[in-house]
Formats: sequence, C-alpha cells, structure tokens
Amino acid sequence: DAGITQSPRHKVTETGTPVTLRCHQTENHRYMYWYRQDPGHGLRLIHYSYGVKDTDKGEVSDGYSVSRSKTEDFLLTLESATSSQTSVYFCAISPAWDTNTGELFFGEGSRLTVL
Amino acid sequence: DAKTTQPPSMDCAEGRAANLPCNHSTISGNEYVYWYRQIHSQGPQYIIHGLKNNETNEMASLIITEDRKSSTLILPHATLRDTAVYYCIVRVGQAGTALIFGKGTTLSVSS
Repeated sequence: DAGITQSPRHKVTETGTPVTLRCHQTENHRYMYWYRQDPGHGLRLIHYSYGVKDTDKGEVSDGYSVSRSKTEDFLLTLESATSSQTSVYFCAISPAWDTNTGELFFGEGSRLTVL
Repeated sequence: DAKTTQPPSMDCAEGRAANLPCNHSTISGNEYVYWYRQIHSQGPQYIIHGLKNNETNEMASLIITEDRKSSTLILPHATLRDTAVYYCIVRVGQAGTALIFGKGTTLSVSS
C-alpha cells in the first residue's frame, strides 16, 4: 500500500472554528490532491498540488485553502468551518506521469463533523 | 475532461462475470479511460486503464469500443468482496491531471 497517512481520522468541531487536515506521504510523489465525499455527490476535487508551493483549485475550492511547504505534507485548512463542510475528506498522491500509469493512490479518509 | 455515464446500480451473482458499462461519447483522442472502485468507506482503489486497446490485469479486463465512445469493465468471477462503487473516469494523459469522479455504479454481488 502507498504510504499515505491522513490526520486526524475523525474530528468534531463547531461552526466558525478553524480546522486543518494533514496528508503525509512517504513515497516522494510529486502530485497531491484533496477530495471530499458526500452522499449524492460522489468524490469532488477541492485542491491539488503539483509541487512544493505549487497548488491549484479544484471543483469545490470555496472555503478551503491549502499549503505544501514540503514534498511529503499537504495541508487542507478550513479557515472558519461551516456545517456544509461536514464530509469525509480523502487525500491522494500520484508520481510523475512518466514513471507511472497515471494512477492515484488514496488515503483512508478523514471524517469531519461541523456542529 | 469528458463526462461519463454509468448505470447507478447493478447486481451480479457470485462466481459470475460482472460487466459494468460506461458511456463516454465525447471522449477526446488524448483521453484515457480509467476505472476505480471504492469499497464501503475506504479510499478509492485503481483497477485498470486504457487508451484504445483492450487491457487485462489480475483484477479485471477493460474492453473499449473501436470508436472509443464506450467501454466495459469485466470482473471475470465476481466475489462478495467485489461489492463496491465502480467509477469510470476519462482523463487527459498528462502528468498530474486530477481525476474527476462521477457517481459511479454500485455493484452488489450476492451468493
């Protein structure tokens, strides 16, 4: 299994509080992604990174920010959590195209509940 | 990326072949077809991908029509552990391109 660790795995917080989810990889892969999954919507891309300090927005980026100061860590921050951000968050990683099939490897998910 | 259309659900008897269809009629020449699955609440898992030729690996076979407008994922001998949501995704063959997931097909394998 790809070395991906998401933390925390479960978190309950209150509306208006800041939350940071961490994705840590031991594969030295270049690309990292954050998805959220909600019933009826499937997986939706929030942000992704194509290198240290290089990030871009996905389908549902409003209310989220990301940072990648090291290859191994990709942080997802909710500056002021809202109930609509209650979801399961998945991190994924991918090596450079010329060294792989284009496959993404996913973490086990982080379940966030905003009350 | 092109959109895909999959049936929302399918059933299959254990030991039989499961054939999961996917329509991607607007696929471009440089877009690959990928299949992933998600078992219960785990992270999605890669199954197989292809450009225009049929592909087979230890998990499944991928049949792509000659016009590339549709494909079929075949699980040759489905087991109860194959019960999952299966996602068909088309994606440009370019480094770092994110996968855009649809709602997939929920496959239920029963004994």
